[in-house]
Amino acid sequence: ILNVEQSPQSLHVQEGDSTNFTCSFPSSNFYALHWYRWETAKSPEALFVMTLNGDEKKKGRISATLNTKEGYSYLYIKGSQPEDSATYLCASRAGNNRKLIWGLGTSLAVNP
Amino acid sequence: NAGVTQTPKFQVLKTGQSMTLQCAQDMNHEYMSWYRQDPGMGLRLIHYSVGAGITDQGEVPNGYNVSRSTTEDFPLRLLSAAPSQTSVYFCASRSTGSYEQYFGPGTRLTVT
Repeated sequence: ILNVEQSPQSLHVQEGDSTNFTCSFPSSNFYALHWYRWETAKSPEALFVMTLNGDEKKKGRISATLNTKEGYSYLYIKGSQPEDSATYLCASRAGNNRKLIWGLGTSLAVNP
Repeated sequence: NAGVTQTPKFQVLKTGQSMTLQCAQDMNHEYMSWYRQDPGMGLRLIHYSVGAGITDQGEVPNGYNVSRSTTEDFPLRLLSAAPSQTSVYFCASRSTGSYEQYFGPGTRLTVT
């Protein structure tokens, strides 16, 4: 994998559902993996930065895991609420210059 | 702290006009960067700066100039606007010791 890929592209869930989505990134020369939450008409807001294989981070109902050997990260949202509706972006920092490569995001819509 | 601020929020230019997008941060962050966000594409790095007096090109630098005379400010200049520069522009900053970026609210630019 040369780029950062996120799936699914979009997701519609009902309030109360738990959901998860994937970020795949180049595993070579990996340095860090970032997750951002981006609400419409606002700027991206940092959720997590993860650097170690096996890292798990949690913020309220949102958590993330990291597998640097196979090059993927999962973001989980437990008991989705309408206010969770946003685009969730991941970005991988890699290479000697630690360049940040962004995915296209997963757009989540939570229906009340 | 105001965080990262950007002005203007919206701008319409005619082809060939020049303008400067302003970005300022009050967190004493050394690292600042400019991204553009286009439909169907991830955030793309235009230029970045690792400190006052030091700037470098990102992925898509053509048509843009930057300068960093102070730690706080990182303006982005469009010398001769083109329709291809219609986009949403985000400024971001971070501390050198952290990979967590803080984004400004964005500037929506339309070039006709």
